Amino acid sequence: KAGVTQTPRYLIKTRGQQVTLSCSPISGHRSVSWYQQTPGQGLQFLFEYFSETQRNKGNFPGRFSGRQFSNSRSEMNVSTLELGDSALYLCASSLYGTLDNEQFFGPGTRLTVL
Amino acid sequence: TQLLEQSPQFLSIQEGENLTVYCNSSSVFSSLQWYRQEPGEGPVLLVTVVTGGEVKKLKRLTFQFGDARKDSSLHITAAQPGDTGLYLCAGVLKTGTYKYIFGTGTRLKVLA
Repeated sequence: KAGVTQTPRYLIKTRGQQVTLSCSPISGHRSVSWYQQTPGQGLQFLFEYFSETQRNKGNFPGRFSGRQFSNSRSEMNVSTLELGDSALYLCASSLYGTLDNEQFFGPGTRLTVL
Repeated sequence: TQLLEQSPQFLSIQEGENLTVYCNSSSVFSSLQWYRQEPGEGPVLLVTVVTGGEVKKLKRLTFQFGDARKDSSLHITAAQPGDTGLYLCAGVLKTGTYKYIFGTGTRLKVLA
């Protein structure tokens, strides 16, 4: 069974630009969650999608948005990039959601904002 | 505000030594999970504990959930270089909606 895949693996952008990251969950998994990982703040929850609907959201500004398609693939978009957005962005898939379900993480997309 | 504090933050030990990592909170968690993350990869789930006082063993790793479900510990016996990595605890907070919170992390290095 293929694992969670994320593309691209590495990305370099400049301040003010926008970026779109992609996540393909494990086949059959309907929930995709996104996380931001930085040395200073650790792993922080961004949002969770289930069956194309955002089910839960962390404390991030509106510049961070996402969506999920009918095949459960998900995209995350960050607009008007800031230097502080440099981080490893991880997505995780699970059958029904983060609540009491095992999450499987992808390898992440490392975003560098210059 | 960090709801899940892990200690120690860094740990460097010799192969064969024992160690314990702690995950503490002032909040009650409905469940708690431990992950290990290696460089260039996402976290991998090691265990989920649900019941207060629960103890789970995974080979040389022993996990315990506090009676009040506010804290947890991970004990590794006879550490090996392959145990090197970032250990993260994570919990589900149910307050109306639910939040999935990760701990601050413990970076372990086991020297051969």
